[in-house]
Amino acid sequence: EVQLVESGGGLVKPGGSLRLSCAGSGFIFNSFGMTWVRQAPGKGLEWVATISSGGRNIYYADSLKGRFTISRDNAKNSLFLQMNSLTAEDTAIYYCARGYSAGWPDINFDYWGQGTLVTVSS
Amino acid sequence: QSVLTQPPSVSGAPGQRVTISCTGTSSNIGAGYYVYWYQQVPGAAPQVVIYGNSIRPSGVPDRFSGSKSGTSASLAITGLQAEDEADYYCQTYDRSLTGWVFGGGTKLTVL
Repeated sequence: EVQLVESGGGLVKPGGSLRLSCAGSGFIFNSFGMTWVRQAPGKGLEWVATISSGGRNIYYADSLKGRFTISRDNAKNSLFLQMNSLTAEDTAIYYCARGYSAGWPDINFDYWGQGTLVTVSS
Repeated sequence: QSVLTQPPSVSGAPGQRVTISCTGTSSNIGAGYYVYWYQQVPGAAPQVVIYGNSIRPSGVPDRFSGSKSGTSASLAITGLQAEDEADYYCQTYDRSLTGWVFGGGTKLTVL
């Protein structure tokens, strides 16, 4: 059974940093691209970042302006999101999702974790 | 403002048919990229109900169907059931943004 489990969320002050983790199991982790998607309270889904299976290709949403860094450790079946210079607008549930590609860049986010809540507030 | 435009809400009585539209541009849906549809019930993570424009994953009832034409896509749900009440999102790739995009979401209410 495919499982994705996020961790690392919490309360952080504006301007602070946080590192999210996502542990994958039940599939060959290094065969799939991985993605972070976030959802602000009461709002819709927003794509954040995607990393290819080997970690060589990385893509970010323009709105992040270089504050976020996605990475992965295939030896540990783990995905990460380093978030810096956080503002209240970054408050959201952060989901990691597995990307099943029918052919780049057609990616289906076929499995999702339960999400981890990040709250940016003083 | 989402790159993909969806109606904020739709509703229907049990047993009826509803459709949810997703309007894009020549940089995303119109460029030929696949459209995906996700269902999100309150308090839960999204799950895919349609991939590759019109393919249902195993376990998704055949009451759900997807289609795509030009710069738009649609999700249709027939024989509405109470359990279908959820938020629905379309998603695809945008070559101008060089990234993946979601619609703003549509809240389906079963009356």
